[in-house]
Amino acid sequence: KAGVTQTPRYLIKTRGQQVTLSCSPISGHRSVSWYQQTPGQGLQFLFEYFSETQRNKGNFPGRFSGRQFSNSRSEMNVSTLELGDSALYLCASSPVEAGELFPLGGYTFGSGTRLTVV
Amino acid sequence: LAKTTQPISMDSYEGQEVNITCSHNNIATNDYITWYQQFPSQGPRFIIQGYKTKVTNEVASLFIPADRKSSTLSLPRVSLSDTAVYYCLVGDTGGYQKVTFGTGTKLQVIP
Repeated sequence: KAGVTQTPRYLIKTRGQQVTLSCSPISGHRSVSWYQQTPGQGLQFLFEYFSETQRNKGNFPGRFSGRQFSNSRSEMNVSTLELGDSALYLCASSPVEAGELFPLGGYTFGSGTRLTVV
Repeated sequence: LAKTTQPISMDSYEGQEVNITCSHNNIATNDYITWYQQFPSQGPRFIIQGYKTKVTNEVASLFIPADRKSSTLSLPRVSLSDTAVYYCLVGDTGGYQKVTFGTGTKLQVIP
């Protein structure tokens, strides 16, 4: 079956601009999580959506937002880009149900979107 | 959420068995232990998951002692393609905790 698809694969933006990243989870998975990965901070949790509702949020400023659609596809938006937002943004889907967050069988990650802010 | 501690890096020769230990002293009763592998510019990939004792699959084994305060990922006969970062993750299937990956262990396999 198809894996987690993230688009675009690479992106270059200018400081002050905004960007939208897209994630299509594995069919049937209702949970989508987003992560930021940088060499200095490692993998950091941004937020998690389940059935169009944000269930959990990491410690990122309000410039980082997301949403999930009825087909479980998710988008992440970063407004007013800063140089420090340059990172690999990863999306992960899981088959967890309503009362769960940590999936048995683990998360399935996409290949990520490499965002460079110049 | 149980904090995990792993060695920052390890080197191994091809063909050797590699054991990577993760410390999670405040693991909770409902927490499972999951290991991921990540190659550069790719997302982490699920390797193995366990709750207690030993779990084995086609790529690795996971050893968890009775007190569950640590776990060891064992990779048999590593090859160059096993060069990657390995993350230990501890979490509760019934909770709403923020999922946190530790710093991971960078394994370098040497020819």
